[in-house]
Amino acid sequence: QQQVKQSPQSLIVQKGGISIINCAYENTAFDYFPWYQQFPGKGPALLIAIRPDVSEKKEGRFTISFNKSAKQFSLHIMDSQPGDSATYFCAASLMYTGNQFYFGTGTSLTVIP
Amino acid sequence: GAVVSQHPSWVICKSGTSVKIECRSLDFQATTMFWYRQFPKQSLMLMATSNEGSKATYEQGVEKDKFLINHASLTLSTLTVTSAHPEDSSFYICSATGTPGGTTGELFFGEGSRLTVL
Repeated sequence: QQQVKQSPQSLIVQKGGISIINCAYENTAFDYFPWYQQFPGKGPALLIAIRPDVSEKKEGRFTISFNKSAKQFSLHIMDSQPGDSATYFCAASLMYTGNQFYFGTGTSLTVIP
Repeated sequence: GAVVSQHPSWVICKSGTSVKIECRSLDFQATTMFWYRQFPKQSLMLMATSNEGSKATYEQGVEKDKFLINHASLTLSTLTVTSAHPEDSSFYICSATGTPGGTTGELFFGEGSRLTVL
């Protein structure tokens, strides 16, 4: 059973637009939800993360929205830029009860100039 | 964020040889390290989890005798692909979690290692 489901698989957005990637999780015990950005030929880099005690976290143009009751969280990229073109992975973890991370299947984002 | 260094970034070897990939946490003690394999345009496939000083736990379907993982210290884990064959060609990525800067449990990735077996 896939613990974290991510959609869409691919996304094309015009420069300046908003990119939205969604994830849903199964285990209500998850207590840490990071997003990673991966450029071709590179390892994933931690982009932004949220704990379940808050509903939103914003860092620059990147915002995580978290809906605990729906078991969903999403990444919003405001004013999307061509340099944001990458693959994005959401993840969920039991941060304080064990080092296990469950990843979504990834979203390939292309921002068109 | 914390730094995880992976080496080599790319390696080409002949079929039948063994290749070692190193993963180092540069500024924190990595209590747990993970090794992933990633095919082009695919997600991260967890191969194994290793805790310092103990044997690695392999995911189902991953041959532990082929992919040898050693986590001898809190800053170093190695993956050795033994008797490599062309089907082992892939992008291998390590990640580490520990206590970087006092933050517990965040996961940081290495830059990845591209293995090509001829």
